[in-house]
Order: sequence, then C-alpha cells, then structure tokens
Amino acid sequence: DGGITQSPKYLFRKEGQNVTLSCEQNLNHDAMYWYRQDPGQGLRLIYYSQIVNDFQKGDIAEGYSVSREKKESFPLTVTSAQKNPTAFYLCASSSLEVGQLNTEAFFGQGTRLTVV
Amino acid sequence: GQNIDQPTEMTATEGAIVQINCTYQTSGFNGLFWYQQHAGEAPTFLSYNVLDGLEEKGRFSSFLSRSKGYSYLLLKELQMKDSASYLCAVVDSNYQLIWGAGTKLIIKP
Repeated sequence: DGGITQSPKYLFRKEGQNVTLSCEQNLNHDAMYWYRQDPGQGLRLIYYSQIVNDFQKGDIAEGYSVSREKKESFPLTVTSAQKNPTAFYLCASSSLEVGQLNTEAFFGQGTRLTVV
Repeated sequence: GQNIDQPTEMTATEGAIVQINCTYQTSGFNGLFWYQQHAGEAPTFLSYNVLDGLEEKGRFSSFLSRSKGYSYLLLKELQMKDSASYLCAVVDSNYQLIWGAGTKLIIKP
C-alpha cells in the first residue's frame, strides 16, 4: 500500500537533547513538508522540500533542521535550540505543489514529541 | 498578514445537518481545502474548491465564494464517527497552505 509513514508515534526527549523524527513516503511524491500542530492553532510550516537535495525554511524553522538525500525520506531534527519543542509533528507529501491541478497533501500519522 | 478564521467548536445532533464556516484573508488564492482530523491522527482530505460554487461529495459538500473570502463545509445526516476537527486551508500565491486552527465538531446522540 502506498502511503506516508512517520515514526515513532510518541517520543520523549530530555531538555538539551537533539532528536530526529522520521518521515518516509512511497507515493513517488516530489514535495514533502513538515508541520507543527499546537492546541488551538493551525498547522505551521517548519520546512518543505520540492526536490531532492533542496529544501526551504517555513514560518517557524528556528531550532529545526532537515535533509532530503532521497526522494522518499525527509527526516526532521529538533535541536536543543528549539525552546518549546513539545508538540504534535506532521509530515506531508504531494505530487506537485498543493493546489496545482487540484493536488492535495497526504499526511503521515504524526509524532507526538514531549520534552521531559 | 494572512488569516484564516473558523469557529473553535460546534455541537450537533446525530442525524442532523451542520455547516462549518471559514473566512480567509490571504496573499493570493489558488484554492481552498477542507480536511478532517480525528484526535491524534493525520488530517485526511475532504474537498478542494478553486472556483465559486458548491461541490458535493456524498454527505459532505463544500462551498466557495472568492469575492467574499468565504467557504463552508456542510455535513448532512451526521454520524457519531463525524466527531472530529475540521481544518480549512487556503493555498496562497506561493502555493503554500495557510491553515485555520480547526473546528472541533461534537456529535451528540
């Protein structure tokens, strides 16, 4: 089955530690995205990538880093510089830019990160 | 700035009809999405509107008025499984998604 997979579903991190969230898709999509979702707020874009070896900062990139070495994979690292990392993180992918030719974004199941 | 507004929470009765509104102010417009999200799960696609008018898909319909910066999602014959958050998102001039905070819909028997 084609889809987008995030792991782990739940993650606990001690303050000061970096942690990497995995996102893999087998939909052959060019574009991939990382969003952060907090209670009472809309999804906020962290980083996005439209092609391998290229990515752009979103609205809240500070304290995060990404890589896109393979088309299928777009891991997100939450660094110790991120002051408030506890949140629900969603990865998404799309075949084209969303909105072009009715292209929709497909989401992974999310990773809930808690700093302890 | 860019802004998407939707009600925070709505309550409806099983079997009834509910309309969830979304108003937007964005830099450009390349379409509007509605997604459904159950608690702790991934958002799933419901509808996409880019032209004015009503799009019907089974029990769900979505309406768009670009001149008014307004959309609504209409859910008919409500079922308990429709209890979820409904997210409105606009595609701006840079083909980026601008998201509303979501409307939590509570269905009562």
